[in-house]
Amino acid sequence: AQKITQTQPGMFVQEKEAVTLDCTYDTSDQSYGLFWYKQPSSGEMIFLIYQGSYDEQNATEGRYSLNFQKARKSANLVISASQLGDSAMYFCAIKSTGNQFYFGTGTSLTVIP
Amino acid sequence: EAQVTQNPRYLITVTGKKLTVTCSQNMNHEYMSWYRQDPGLGLRQIYYSMNVEVTDKGDVPEGYKVSRKEKRNFPLILESPSPNQTSLYFCASSYSGALPGEQYFGPGTRLTVT
Repeated sequence: AQKITQTQPGMFVQEKEAVTLDCTYDTSDQSYGLFWYKQPSSGEMIFLIYQGSYDEQNATEGRYSLNFQKARKSANLVISASQLGDSAMYFCAIKSTGNQFYFGTGTSLTVIP
Repeated sequence: EAQVTQNPRYLITVTGKKLTVTCSQNMNHEYMSWYRQDPGLGLRQIYYSMNVEVTDKGDVPEGYKVSRKEKRNFPLILESPSPNQTSLYFCASSYSGALPGEQYFGPGTRLTVT
């Protein structure tokens, strides 16, 4: 089975600063994908970024980047130039060849003006 | 507009009264899935479907049933709801079960079982 661990229940960041949200995973599969989702207070789940286990470069999408360290089994999300609208819950997830998704317990990010 | 829809959005029911939460997607996606979200536990997968007539258990399938008779629809059935099934439920879909397979989520259904 796969497992995702997010050890930061809550984080604070000053507006315009960068913030890193931690995610470690456990899997015995060689081929897997890592995902980050955002859940604002309105409740919807928004896909942010994806990293494949065989991707040599770290994924980037606008202000989001994924710091992928395969040997350490970590897939941290970096948000640059934080905005007030970034305040939300953030979930890390893994999917491997078993077709199931596994989510972490989430990190609540608060951006301070 | 490409979307995943769920109905109802809010539901209060009593123990033992069968209910169905519908899920529909208009993106011709093969992979569909149901999750429940509980405080402190994140999202946990209930069931998923790789395609029509193909369904599999996720991590927490007990007390739930699903069916996939058409590609666009994936209803979640609670035959005899109990209070421990009070939760926020999400339906999601993705183009296929293969990677990357990022999922697109419905708006959620908040279920209360008294």
